Amino acid sequence: GAVVSQHPSRVICKSGTSVKIECRSLDFQATTMFWYRQFPKKSLMLMATSNEGSKATYEQGVEKDKFLINHASLTLSTLTVTSAHPEDSSFYICSARDRQIATNEKLFFGSGTQLSVL
Amino acid sequence: AQSVAQPEDQVNVAEGNPLTVKCTYSVSGNPYLFWYVQYPNRGLQFLLKYITGDNLVKGSYGFEAEFNKSQTSFHLKKPSALVSDSALYFCAVRDVYTGNQFYFGTGTSLTVIP
Repeated sequence: GAVVSQHPSRVICKSGTSVKIECRSLDFQATTMFWYRQFPKKSLMLMATSNEGSKATYEQGVEKDKFLINHASLTLSTLTVTSAHPEDSSFYICSARDRQIATNEKLFFGSGTQLSVL
Repeated sequence: AQSVAQPEDQVNVAEGNPLTVKCTYSVSGNPYLFWYVQYPNRGLQFLLKYITGDNLVKGSYGFEAEFNKSQTSFHLKKPSALVSDSALYFCAVRDVYTGNQFYFGTGTSLTVIP
């Protein structure tokens, strides 16, 4: 089945630094990738939709200058948390849709990145 | 806007008993509904989906879900729960009208008691 690789799985950083999270589709091309944030035992909050070759679409309330998303190729999207602060500590998950599947209704998820900002 | 609600944060069920995890939805037009499961220390996995057709949808690991249009519900069910079914379950709706985003419910933690 389709595999989405997310890296790193865990990162600890100092307040004020930037952190980049990568999301790769390993055996399929993803025209669209989604970035979610998950709080402990809480829902997945959609942060943004990343389309290859165009600017990401951010959900209301998500700061686009803080959460920079780049989708430069059909297999890679990155999320950069700029000037991270402790309140940014969370579990971030990416997901992708396979462009080859005509109805491409199903999402494939990365294993997530636990970000801890000290 | 599309949305789903999972009214139960936690569901406990004895092993071997039937289980139900509830989900209700609010959508414009025909709903595209999904269930995903998140096992501890693992990513989310697709369980099943409803797009059109038969109201009873069968999915992975013996799970099924029933689409009920009059009650706007899409409850997840399994006839006989296993301890290994203990996980976090998410209902989701796909917004096909504005951008194909998936929106998730708040999740229900299922614990199957041996």
